[in-house]
Amino acid sequence: EIVMTQSPATLSVSPGERATLSCRASQNVNDNLAWYQQKPGQSPRLLIYGASTRATDIPARFSGSGSGTEFTLTISSLQSEDFAVYYCQHYSTFGQGTKLEIK
Amino acid sequence: EVQLVQSGAEVIKPGESLKISCQASGYSFTSYWIGWVRQMPGKGLEWMGIIYPGDSDAIYSPSFQGQVTISADRSSRTAYLQWSSLKASDTAIYYCARRRDWVQSWSYFDYWGQGTLVTVSS
Repeated sequence: EIVMTQSPATLSVSPGERATLSCRASQNVNDNLAWYQQKPGQSPRLLIYGASTRATDIPARFSGSGSGTEFTLTISSLQSEDFAVYYCQHYSTFGQGTKLEIK
Repeated sequence: EVQLVQSGAEVIKPGESLKISCQASGYSFTSYWIGWVRQMPGKGLEWMGIIYPGDSDAIYSPSFQGQVTISADRSSRTAYLQWSSLKASDTAIYYCARRRDWVQSWSYFDYWGQGTLVTVSS
């Protein structure tokens, strides 16, 4: 079974700054990697699929990169609405999540 | 517009059975897998299993195999998640989500239901 490990568990960043979130797979998953955003009291929302393709209506400040076992979600200039929990996923496995909080 | 509408919150006693639902609209129900995802209080997302309504083929996570049953009714465009005997540890929010699959082997959940809170308490 493939294990997805996200880091850090919590990331504190100031509005307007860049945030970089990491996701590591225990085996090669090629580019079959998705990212989701979840705000308190809401369902998860798809941000990125295929490691780097933005989903419909996702702002350009969100970008995904990586392949194989190492992946990154970058938010270029944090807006207030971006503070949330972010999950990576490969098939039937989710990472444990990274909470992005206001510094 | 693709929509997944889930049934309402439930409060259930330990040992009781339960079936929650997820009604799909706005797309070909029989052409996409639908999955169920658990989120325990204050915790992350857990993939439980998926079903293909076209032929009712279901795949379960080993963690949930034998603990739940996933089914689908093509006539009502509804997927179901059911338990025969709930435990307090089943208290969680349960989400259904449509899975999108690409020939490049990409696979992800593109639309999500609003979630169903299941509380198991005596």
